[in-house]
Amino acid sequence: SQQGEEDPQALSIQEGENATMNCSYKTSINNLQWYRQNSGRGLVHLILIRSNEREKHSGRLRVTLDTSKKSSSLLITASRAADTASYFCATDPGSSNTGKLIFGQGTTLQVKP
Amino acid sequence: DVKVTQSSRYLVKRTGEKVFLECVQDMDHENMFWYRQDPGLGLRLIYFSYDVKMKEKGDIPEGYSVSREKKERFSLILESASTNQTSMYLCASTPSPGTGGYTFGSGTRLTVV
Repeated sequence: SQQGEEDPQALSIQEGENATMNCSYKTSINNLQWYRQNSGRGLVHLILIRSNEREKHSGRLRVTLDTSKKSSSLLITASRAADTASYFCATDPGSSNTGKLIFGQGTTLQVKP
Repeated sequence: DVKVTQSSRYLVKRTGEKVFLECVQDMDHENMFWYRQDPGLGLRLIYFSYDVKMKEKGDIPEGYSVSREKKERFSLILESASTNQTSMYLCASTPSPGTGGYTFGSGTRLTVV
C-alpha cells in the first residue's frame, strides 16, 4: 500500500531557482528517505532523516521532517538542468524490522536552462 | 563502486512464458527487494528477502515467486507471464534495517506480448 503522497505531482522551474517538494504520510515511522529517478533508470538514494531529527542537509539539498504533521519537504537550492528527474519520498515504518520501504507517487521536476 | 546489477535492461517475452529476472549485489547486504513501477501507481513491493533462503510477500506477490540461494543474488520469477505484468522491474538492496537507504539497480523494462 502507498503511504507517502508527494505534492506537487509536477513542478517546472528555471535554472537557478529553488525547488520545494512535499511529502505526507500516514503512520509512524523510523525514518523517511528521499530518492531521485532519472527517466528510465533506477532510483538513487539522496538523503535519510530519522524520526528524531527535524532537518538535514546534503550539499544543495535540505530536508525537513515534522512528525506531528506527518510531513516532510525536500528543498533543492540553486537548481540545475541536471536536477531534472522524478523525486520520491519513502517511509520506513519500522514495524517489521526488515528495511521495507513504502514509496510515494513522486514529484516530476523539470528545470529549464 | 558498490552496485546492484540487473541482468537485462530490456526484455520482451511471450504470454505464458516463464521469465527470470536476475539481480546481484556486491555490498554484502542482508536485505533485497523487488518492486515494479507503473505510471500512476508508483513503486509497489512484490517480494523481499532479509536473509538467504528467506522471503516474504510484499503488496502484490500474485503471479510471482522469488529465489535467494546466495546472499548476493535475488531472482524474481514470473511463473507464466501475462500482459498485465508488462512493467519496469526494480531490484534494490540495503544493509541491516534502518542503517541506510536502498541501492537500486538500473531496472528491467519487461514487455509481455
